[in-house]
Amino acid sequence: NAGVTQTPKFQVLKTGQSMTLQCAQDMNHEYMSWYRQDPGMGLRLIHYSVGAGITDQGEVPNGYNVSRSTTEDFPLRLLSAAPSQTSVYFCASSYSRVGGNTEAFFGQGTRLTVV
Amino acid sequence: KQEVTQIPAALSVPEGENLVLNCSFTDSAIYNLQWFRQDPGKGLTSLLLIQSSQREQTSGRLNASLDKSSGRSTLYIAASQPGDSATYLCAVFVDSNYQLIWGAGTKLIIKP
Repeated sequence: NAGVTQTPKFQVLKTGQSMTLQCAQDMNHEYMSWYRQDPGMGLRLIHYSVGAGITDQGEVPNGYNVSRSTTEDFPLRLLSAAPSQTSVYFCASSYSRVGGNTEAFFGQGTRLTVV
Repeated sequence: KQEVTQIPAALSVPEGENLVLNCSFTDSAIYNLQWFRQDPGKGLTSLLLIQSSQREQTSGRLNASLDKSSGRSTLYIAASQPGDSATYLCAVFVDSNYQLIWGAGTKLIIKP
């Protein structure tokens, strides 16, 4: 099983550029989310989705957009990259957010540097 | 606001020792708690998930406990091996806004 697949693994952007981080899961999970991980801090939630067509903001949504047109895919868009967005980004999915098994599965991460 | 703390930030022990990693959280209203392992440059691997109604979970040499009333969880690793070297993260699932709240992790080094 592929699980959660993120692309690319590494990316360097110039300030002001835009890009999309891709995330796909093959486990038919309802719940998908994006986190960023910064040194010395815990992961922080950027955006999440509880199903196709439904998205919502997390703790640090500014500068990012998401959409969920299918159950499998949950891309994260950086609108105009800033050095403060230099981070490692993780996509996660789980079968159900409440009432069931909420064990989260993570992609390998995307290391993004904005210069 | 829920906050999760992991102490110590780093730990180095000789191979073969039993060890305990600590995780504390400020609000006992959690749905579950999950322990993860992160290897350098890699993603996150789920180790154990404890539902709020459970007291502990075991997987191989790993045992995780949960005490909601005191806001604490421990991850016990028996007979540590160099391959256990990694960063261990705990996260609590908060029902109110569907997110995991994370600790900053404990970096564990097992010396051969």
